[in-house]
Amino acid sequence: LAKTTQPISMDSYEGQEVNITCSHNNIATNDYITWYQQFPSQGPRFIIQGYKTKVTNEVASLFIPADRKSSTLSLPRVSLSDTAVYYCLVGPPPGGYQKVTFGTGTKLQVIP
Amino acid sequence: ETGVTQTPRHLVMGMTNKKSLKCEQHLGHNAMYWYKQSAKKPLELMFVYSLEERVENNSVPSRFSPECPNSSHLFLHLHTLQPEDSALYLCASSETLDRVSYNEQFFGPGTRLTVL
Repeated sequence: LAKTTQPISMDSYEGQEVNITCSHNNIATNDYITWYQQFPSQGPRFIIQGYKTKVTNEVASLFIPADRKSSTLSLPRVSLSDTAVYYCLVGPPPGGYQKVTFGTGTKLQVIP
Repeated sequence: ETGVTQTPRHLVMGMTNKKSLKCEQHLGHNAMYWYKQSAKKPLELMFVYSLEERVENNSVPSRFSPECPNSSHLFLHLHTLQPEDSALYLCASSETLDRVSYNEQFFGPGTRLTVL
């Protein structure tokens, strides 16, 4: 699986847009980029997945440049409830059997 | 119940005890997983089951014994654990292990295990 690099932690004030960038320089042609969110003492929750360009859903947007060597998760107008660890995963579909590797993630702390 | 449920949510056991963790998914999925999450460590995949057949044992010590009696239920039997086995144990499921389409994993809330 492609190795990913994310910032260990980030702080943001409520109402701001938060962008978390993930580097994956050795991403393979058929790899997808997926982000999960994990609250303390809970299991991770799927947020968004993409292959190229931009993907948007009701929770977040995912920006993937043409070379696909990085991706940015964008959370619009964060609230205190967005405080969590965010994991970037890169791998071929499916995410299951290919030993989904979560890494250490980015701990986002939203400040009032 | 919907999604993936796990019981118990918290468990404290001695090193000589035998206990079991239970996971149930109500999503009609065919693949189930056990993960271990220790403090300040990434999630570690332990076991993968597809259609009740174990397809992955990620070098897990034999004191952890999984069981998948059907595609909706997954157990993790624990015996003679060590204090370093204390962690959050997470169960997840996905539709299949199909290599064609992406399979999002749905996680349960986890069991917080403390080994004394």
